[in-house]
Amino acid sequence: EIVLTQSPATLSLSPGERATLSCRASQSVSTFLVWYLQKPGQAPRLLIYDASNRATGIPARFSGSGSGTDFTLTISSLEPDDFAVYHCQQRSSWPLTFGQGTRLEIK
Amino acid sequence: EVQLLQSGGGLVQPGGSLRLSCAASGFTFSTYAMNWVRRAPGKGLEWVSSITGSGDSTYYADSVKGRFIISRDNSKNTLYLQMNSLRAEDTAVYYCAKDMYALGSYKMFDYWGQGTLVTVSS
Repeated sequence: EIVLTQSPATLSLSPGERATLSCRASQSVSTFLVWYLQKPGQAPRLLIYDASNRATGIPARFSGSGSGTDFTLTISSLEPDDFAVYHCQQRSSWPLTFGQGTRLEIK
Repeated sequence: EVQLLQSGGGLVQPGGSLRLSCAASGFTFSTYAMNWVRRAPGKGLEWVSSITGSGDSTYYADSVKGRFIISRDNSKNTLYLQMNSLRAEDTAVYYCAKDMYALGSYKMFDYWGQGTLVTVSS
């Protein structure tokens, strides 16, 4: 089973700042890495697929990078609506696994 | 418009059973793999199970294998999760989720149901 480790667990930033979230895999997943965001009481929403491709309707301030075992989600300038929990998921092999999530909170 | 409307869930005693349903609309249901994902209180997301569009192949997390059964009725555009021998650690919000692309199992989810809470407690 591929273990995904997200860091930091919690990130405290202000609107307008840049956010950098990390997801590390215990073995290579190539670029088969997906990012979701989840707001309280809501279902997750697809953000980035295959490491760097924005899903439909996702603003350009969200970008993803990485391959192999190290991945980054960057939000270039935080807006109030971006404060949520971010999850990474690997789709390289069964069983599918998620990271434990990074909570992005307003400082 | 793609919609996934979940039903089922609730409070059940340890060892009990429950069936979740997910009614789909707005896309050709039979051509998409479907999935169940859960989130326990204070935890991250956990993949539970997947099924191909035809229903011929199913996949399970080790934590539910032998206890949960995923199935689908393509004539009713509905996905199911039969949960047996429930344990306290199965307590979570359960989501159904649609695979992003048709005619395969791409293992990434572009539409999600609203979620349903399953609580296993005596």
